[in-house]
Amino acid sequence: EAQVTQNPRYLITVTGKKLTVTCSQNMNHEYMSWYRQDPGLGLRQIYYSMNVEVTDKGDVPEGYKVSRKEKRNFPLILESPSPNQTSLYFCASSLLLAGGPGLNEQFFGPGTRLTVL
Amino acid sequence: DAKTTQPPSMDCAEGRAANLPCNHSTISGNEYVYWYRQIHSQGPQYIIHGLKNNETNEMASLIITEDRKSSTLILPHATLRDTAVYYCIGRNAGGTSYGKLTFGQGTILTVHP
Repeated sequence: EAQVTQNPRYLITVTGKKLTVTCSQNMNHEYMSWYRQDPGLGLRQIYYSMNVEVTDKGDVPEGYKVSRKEKRNFPLILESPSPNQTSLYFCASSLLLAGGPGLNEQFFGPGTRLTVL
Repeated sequence: DAKTTQPPSMDCAEGRAANLPCNHSTISGNEYVYWYRQIHSQGPQYIIHGLKNNETNEMASLIITEDRKSSTLILPHATLRDTAVYYCIGRNAGGTSYGKLTFGQGTILTVHP
């Protein structure tokens, strides 16, 4: 089944304790992206990757790191989590549009609900 | 930024067409418009995208004005299961890549019996 998986789905942690949220897709998509969703602020892009070893900042990259060593995986790293990073996180992946600059349909993971105390 | 503006909420009767507008007046010539929807806190679901021409798929139709400054998503026969937040998305022109996207606040569509 074509899908984007995220782990863990729920996580409660404490300030300053490094954590990684994994994201994996089995559709051979070039593009992957991380978003966070907060009440009243909608979905905001954290980082994205156009292909292996190519990553770039979204609108809210502060406090996050990513890497894209393999096409299928795009982990989100919080080196020193803080309470303001408590949020619902979504990973997504997409093929690039053939014949022009743009993305095809983005497939989203089920979300990771993170609480930082 | 390729800022998109949508009404915060809309209502629609079941079985009727739902027409959701979006303004994207800063969109540039090669930027696509995408529509997604999100039910509760599930991952957003792709609906449709377009560049200049109107588009239709099994879920919806997308009408883009000739000047490309606005678009309308049409759900031809809304059902209760179409109740969701609908996002119109444009590329964030502040980035150098078309991979940088801005979701905006979305429209809460409520379909009632």
